[in-house]
Amino acid sequence: QKEVEQDPGPLSVPEGAIVSLNCTYSNSAFQYFMWYRQYSRKGPELLMYTYSSGNKEDGRFTAQVDKSSKYISLFIRDSQPSDSATYLCAMLRSGGYQKVTFGTGTKLQVIP
Amino acid sequence: NAGVMQNPRHLVRRRGQEARLRCSPMKGHSHVYWYRQLPEEGLKFMVYLQKENIIDESGMPKERFSAEFPKEGPSILRIQQVVRGDSAAYFCASSPGLTSGRDEQFFGPGTRLTVL
Repeated sequence: QKEVEQDPGPLSVPEGAIVSLNCTYSNSAFQYFMWYRQYSRKGPELLMYTYSSGNKEDGRFTAQVDKSSKYISLFIRDSQPSDSATYLCAMLRSGGYQKVTFGTGTKLQVIP
Repeated sequence: NAGVMQNPRHLVRRRGQEARLRCSPMKGHSHVYWYRQLPEEGLKFMVYLQKENIIDESGMPKERFSAEFPKEGPSILRIQQVVRGDSAAYFCASSPGLTSGRDEQFFGPGTRLTVL
């Protein structure tokens, strides 16, 4: 079983739709949760970073963490064609050092 | 302020040759991480280095792969005697190495290695 599971998609939605992206994880040692966006042939860029269970909002993006269920989500409101990319969830263990474990990524396409 | 730089962006090698991938971290960053991304797969951690030290190489294949981050100059990921299965995108990330708070990793644009 993979430590982090993420549906690879592809996910295709019309412009303006609300997008929901999800990951589950099996290792309760993960304490820090991130979402990265990766455009084709580019490096990942950090979108959201959360520590505690609950919601964190940044503009059109909301990250949600449920540690009891080992489940994290990223919501994108009013999706735009420029949001078309692969979204990677990522996790860090608590303490010290920064080995990041990534999900496989979900490819999102927003249709104008 | 330049971001993480990687070169070359594209590298083609024949089986059995050596591949050298370079990474210059962001200014002020002393921690470097290498990841490999295979088609349709996520990023896989390979190695974590600080200046002149390998901290964690648990993701590195035991043979043919090595990494260094010298006191001066870029970090180098070296693959000897490449095979077709080494074809992938290799990403480098750097961080300032904060011991408190968030030590964010910033990624470079990647090097795409193709082994013929």
